[in-house]
Order: sequence, then structure tokens, then C-alpha cells
Amino acid sequence: SAVISQKPSRDICQRGTSLTIQCQVDSQVTMMFWYRQQPGQSLTLIATANQGSEATYESGFVIDKFPISRPNLTFSTLTVSNMSPEDSSIYLCSVVDRAETQYFGPGTRLLVL
Amino acid sequence: KNEVEQSPQNLTAQEGEFITINCSYSVGISALHWLQQHPGGGIVSLFMLSSGKKKHGRLIATINIQEKHSSLHITASHPRDSAVYICAVTASGGSNYKLTFGKGTLLTVNP
Repeated sequence: SAVISQKPSRDICQRGTSLTIQCQVDSQVTMMFWYRQQPGQSLTLIATANQGSEATYESGFVIDKFPISRPNLTFSTLTVSNMSPEDSSIYLCSVVDRAETQYFGPGTRLLVL
Repeated sequence: KNEVEQSPQNLTAQEGEFITINCSYSVGISALHWLQQHPGGGIVSLFMLSSGKKKHGRLIATINIQEKHSSLHITASHPRDSAVYICAVTASGGSNYKLTFGKGTLLTVNP
């Protein structure tokens, strides 16, 4: 199984600033995803993090707002840029391992004031 | 557009009760997932199924492909089962890992 850690686990930020969330996996995985869960809403896929190339974004999400890096098979970052209170959410990293099993991280709880 | 609807939205039970959470979806799927989310936000995958029934401990998940419906059952519920239970599906023909999620069912089990 894959064990996922996310940093930070929670943060409170001022509007207009940016926050980078890290996702670290204890084994090499084939796919990595970033999800957002706004208060009272369903989880929504932001993008697929591709190793060594630009992430693939879902409709409604753009690279300027949510730049993503994935330098290797075990690590990815998601940056929430120029934050507003509407960005207050739980951000989740998810991975698929070589056995094609999907795992979810512990989440990063973000509050933007 | 694939909609995933869960019922009930909130459920309160007494310890020991049998619990059922329902999930309906609107398009053909390749798989359905049941997930558990604890208050801190982290998510654990409970089941992935595409037909029939699966059992793990006190948890049972069933799916009826023709009726586009799945249920999650918890037998002999316990306060530690208190969490949000989320149903998610992957649409037929799409990536196996692009999930559409329901809004979740908040379960509270009182001692």
C-alpha cells in the first residue's frame, strides 16, 4: 500500500497571498491527483499531476491559479495563488500505485481570511 | 453530466444499530467507490466494486448496475464509525481514476 503525507495539514492565510501544499508518497506511484473540497460540497478534481511535464487541468481550473509540480514519482506540490476566501477548502492529494489501487492523503485544511 | 446522489445527508444512530447509506448515479459506470472521511479531512477507501457485493468486517457494500444504485451497510455500529461516508463513481469509457463524488453522508453513532 501507499502511505501519503501532506504538508501543511492546515493553515490560515491572508487574501492575496499564495500557499504551496506538498504531497509525499512512500513509494513510486503511477498517477497523482489533486482534489478540492469546498465547505459543504463534493470533492472536485483539480488536475492530474504529470511527472516532468505540465499538469492536466479539469474544466474550471487553470495553471495560473493552481500551479502544480511533479518532479518525480513520489512527490508533487500544489500552489494556491492569489488566494481569496473562496479558496477556503480541504485540498487532497490522491495517488494510484502500480497495483492500480487508489489512495487518498490526509488533506490540507485551508482557511483564507 | 454524471450526478451522484446520496441519502440520507445526515444519519444519527445508537450504538449497535444496523445502518444503510444509499447512493444513486445517472450514467453508466466502470466502478463505484465507497470512501470514509474523518473530521480532519483525510479519506480512506473502503470499497471499490463494479458488480455484486463486497464485505469487509462489519461493512458490506452492494451494487445494482441495472438500477444504478449502491448501498453501504454497517452492522453493529460503533461510535468509532462516526464519519462522513462518500460515494464516488468512474464513468464508463473514462479514466479509471477520474472520480465523480457525492456530497457525503454524515454518520453519527452515539454510545
